[in-house]
Amino acid sequence: EAGVAQSPRYKIIEKRQSVAFWCNPISGHATLYWYQQILGQGPKLLIQFQNNGVVDDSQLPKDRFSAERLKGVDSTLKIQPAKLEDSAVYLCASTPWGQGGYTEAFFGQGTRLTVV
Amino acid sequence: AQSVAQPEDQVNVAEGNPLTVKCTYSVSGNPYLFWYVQYPNRGLQFLLKYITGDNLVKGSYGFEAEFNKSQTSFHLKKPSALVSDSALYFCAVSSSGGGNKLTFGTGTQLKVEL
Repeated sequence: EAGVAQSPRYKIIEKRQSVAFWCNPISGHATLYWYQQILGQGPKLLIQFQNNGVVDDSQLPKDRFSAERLKGVDSTLKIQPAKLEDSAVYLCASTPWGQGGYTEAFFGQGTRLTVV
Repeated sequence: AQSVAQPEDQVNVAEGNPLTVKCTYSVSGNPYLFWYVQYPNRGLQFLLKYITGDNLVKGSYGFEAEFNKSQTSFHLKKPSALVSDSALYFCAVSSSGGGNKLTFGTGTQLKVEL
């Protein structure tokens, strides 16, 4: 079974530039998460999709961050414009839906973003 | 709102000694508890979970965890630590009726020394 795929692995941009990250979840997984992990901290949920609908985006800075999941499969996360404090690892994860929250999430390797 | 606390930023143990990494949680409804491990430049890997049933759950690489409802804790344990266990460990919680929302603690760095 293929895992969660993310690209790129690394990205360096200047502040005020834009950047996009891509995630392909495990086939058949209806729930997709984007997490932000700042160095030394635990992952913080940015947005959660079920199929192509948003379940939770309460912690997404909507003035600069956006995400979409077209057709309920792949997802992209965009930052525009980036700030220095956005430097972090962005993790994508997926789970099958309908399991009541007790199925473990499968994580991609993450995208390390450095804003200079 | 659900939350997880990992009170120790770092745990140091000698190889061959038992290890414990602490976790406490707060949720509404029944808790579902998870431990993940993260190696440098890698994503999070699932270790074990508690959903219901036996309070002692066993997972990958010889790890186990004990669920204690009265103390709202889910400590990670291993009887004999290995140097290769050195990594960053995260406790996470979701809940019945929580819509699959998964909340993580801040992580505990485990260092196993010879």
